[in-house]
Amino acid sequence: NAGVTQTPKFQVLKTGQSMTLQCAQDMNHNSMYWYRQDPGMGLRLIYYSASEGTTDKGEVPNGYNVSRLNKREFSLRLESAAPSQTSVYFCASSGRQGSTEAFFGQGTRLTVV
Amino acid sequence: AQSVTQLDSQVPVFEEAPVELRCNYSSSVSVYLFWYVQYPNQGLQLLLKYLSGSTLVKGINGFEAEFNKSQTSFHLRKPSVHISDTAENFCAVSGGGGSNYKLTFGKGTLLTVNP
Repeated sequence: NAGVTQTPKFQVLKTGQSMTLQCAQDMNHNSMYWYRQDPGMGLRLIYYSASEGTTDKGEVPNGYNVSRLNKREFSLRLESAAPSQTSVYFCASSGRQGSTEAFFGQGTRLTVV
Repeated sequence: AQSVTQLDSQVPVFEEAPVELRCNYSSSVSVYLFWYVQYPNQGLQLLLKYLSGSTLVKGINGFEAEFNKSQTSFHLRKPSVHISDTAENFCAVSGGGGSNYKLTFGKGTLLTVNP
């Protein structure tokens, strides 16, 4: 029972490089989310997808794009990485409209140099 | 819009002492409230949640929280903590103001349990 799986777990990028963070869930959840976690800032929502085929901006979307590939998968893309995007990224999923708990992946630690 | 304020960024306590982690939220409509715990180098897991009904909710590992609508608070408590409770704890809210799909987190409270 994998839950929410994120890849990769660690990544170092040079400024200006691009990459895609992958996320997949096997719980048949409708909603999926991408958060970033920075010291003293808690978790901030980057983008979310309420259901397959829809995506919306969260609190800090600049510099990111997302794709809800199907019901299971929700990817986050950095087109031109910047040092300010150094962070730990978490993917999460939930079943219904906000009322059930969100399940989190183990995180991706990204460093942009 | 909804928001969460965790009043303490760090709470140090001694083992077997009681602890309270404070959380206040802001929303103009009904909300759902959560506490998540994050152990070092791990993802988040749910401690407990309030959706409706009884205002005192019990969670895993002996934690409980009380929903107080008039004070817009959802404080987390444990009567006797263990070393293994050392972790970052996050209060979160969803469901208010048409933002049903967005889980908004506070900045976290680091609970450190000392021997």
